[in-house]
Amino acid sequence: DTAVSQTPKYLVTQMGNDKSIKCEQNLGHDTMYWYKQDSKKFLKIMFSYNNKELIINETVPNRFSPKSPDKAHLNLHINSLELGDSAVYFCASSDSMVNTEAFFGQGTRLTVV
Amino acid sequence: ELKVEQNPLFLSMQEGKNYTIYCNYSTTSDRLYWYRQDPGKSLESLFVLLSNGAVKQEGRLMASLDTKARLSTLHITAAVHDLSATYFCAPEDQTGANNLFFGTGTRLTVIP
Repeated sequence: DTAVSQTPKYLVTQMGNDKSIKCEQNLGHDTMYWYKQDSKKFLKIMFSYNNKELIINETVPNRFSPKSPDKAHLNLHINSLELGDSAVYFCASSDSMVNTEAFFGQGTRLTVV
Repeated sequence: ELKVEQNPLFLSMQEGKNYTIYCNYSTTSDRLYWYRQDPGKSLESLFVLLSNGAVKQEGRLMASLDTKARLSTLHITAAVHDLSATYFCAPEDQTGANNLFFGTGTRLTVIP
């Protein structure tokens, strides 16, 4: 059983489109995250979400919006996609904001053309 | 924002050799993680270091944490090809929301 699962694994889309990436965790964790990994493998946190509290990395454009229908899901919606959004996006979860060991999904490789 | 630097960024070593990867971070934190990433794959948690002086060992890898120096090390003993991967350190940002901030990664290649 996959603990943190993301869909799709690959996403190719044109500039200007709107897309979503879904994430689900079956670990019973309270906290979920989105990370972006660029072509140089730098990994940066975008959002953390805990108990309906959203912590946003201020460098993230507001075209990116996380949506959490329940504790086990944190989806990422991206509006008006740009070439620079091309990257691998990782969803992760941790037990809480105290026990922060993060368990990662398999990643979604987004390519904007 | 917590800044994290790893060195070296790239490491090519022969099987059987020893080496150390260094992770320096900019603000106080007494909790740090090491992760491994294989090409095209996800990140796998290797070690959790929870206090100053913490040392953890698993097989040929040993991680340590010096919170006063804001330094963690990952020591590789008698490297084997299977250890080839990218290794990330990730201290917890305890000045904010306890998010993890990842280092630049060290891409390790072990040559037979």
